[in-house]
Amino acid sequence: RKEVEQDPGPFNVPEGATVAFNCTYSNSASQSFFWYRQDCRKEPKLLMSVYSSGNEDGRFTAQLNRASQYISLLIRDSKLSDSATYLCVVNRGGTGGGNKLTFGTGTQLKVEL
Amino acid sequence: GAVVSQHPSWVICKSGTSVKIECRSLDFQATTMFWYRQFPKKSLMLMATSNEGSKATYEQGVEKDKFLINHASLTLSTLTVTSAHPEDSSFYICSVYAGNQPQHFGDGTRLSIL
Repeated sequence: RKEVEQDPGPFNVPEGATVAFNCTYSNSASQSFFWYRQDCRKEPKLLMSVYSSGNEDGRFTAQLNRASQYISLLIRDSKLSDSATYLCVVNRGGTGGGNKLTFGTGTQLKVEL
Repeated sequence: GAVVSQHPSWVICKSGTSVKIECRSLDFQATTMFWYRQFPKKSLMLMATSNEGSKATYEQGVEKDKFLINHASLTLSTLTVTSAHPEDSSFYICSVYAGNQPQHFGDGTRLSIL
C-alpha cells in the first residue's frame, strides 16, 4: 500500500464548479498535513496546511480525519487558473522522520470554459 | 517563509558527465535541506537529507556515491550527479526546512542526459 494515495484524475470540470479531492495516508504517526499545488514542469507550491478542525482559505477548504487517516480538499467556484496537479503531502512523523515529507502522486484538475 | 533558489534550471548533457546542482537559501540559514527527484507523472521522492557541516543521510535505495551532497554553509547545498546516464534524467528539487513545516521549495532543475 502506498504511503499517500490519491486518485490521479484527471478531473475535468466546468468553470464555476465545485470539486473535491480525497487522499488517504497509511502512517498513523504523521502529524502534519498539507495540500500543495504543482503546475506543469514547475516546483510544488504550498496551497494550505490541513488542521484537525478543518480550515478554509477563500475558495479552498481542507479537512482532516485522523481516525480514518483521510484528508480532503474542496475547491468552490473553480477558475481556469485552478488547473494544476494537487499534491497531498504528509510528514513522516516518528523518531527522525518528523521533518520529512511524503508526497502523493497528485490529482490533476482541468477547469474548462 | 524561506526563499530558495536553485541553479541551473535546465541541464542537457552527454552520458558520463557529472552535473552539479546548487540550492541556495536566500533569506534563511538552513541547517537542513532536502533533495527530491520527480519522474514524469510520478510523485516527488525524497532522495536525501542534507545536513550542514555533516554527512547527508540518504533514503533507502539512493546511492550515496552516485548522488554526492555537500552542505558546507548554512545557505548552500549542492547535489552532484556523478557519471550521469539517461536513467538519471529527471526533475530534481531541493527544499529548505526552516524549523517548522511546511518546507519551501526551489524552482527545480530539469536534467536531461543524452
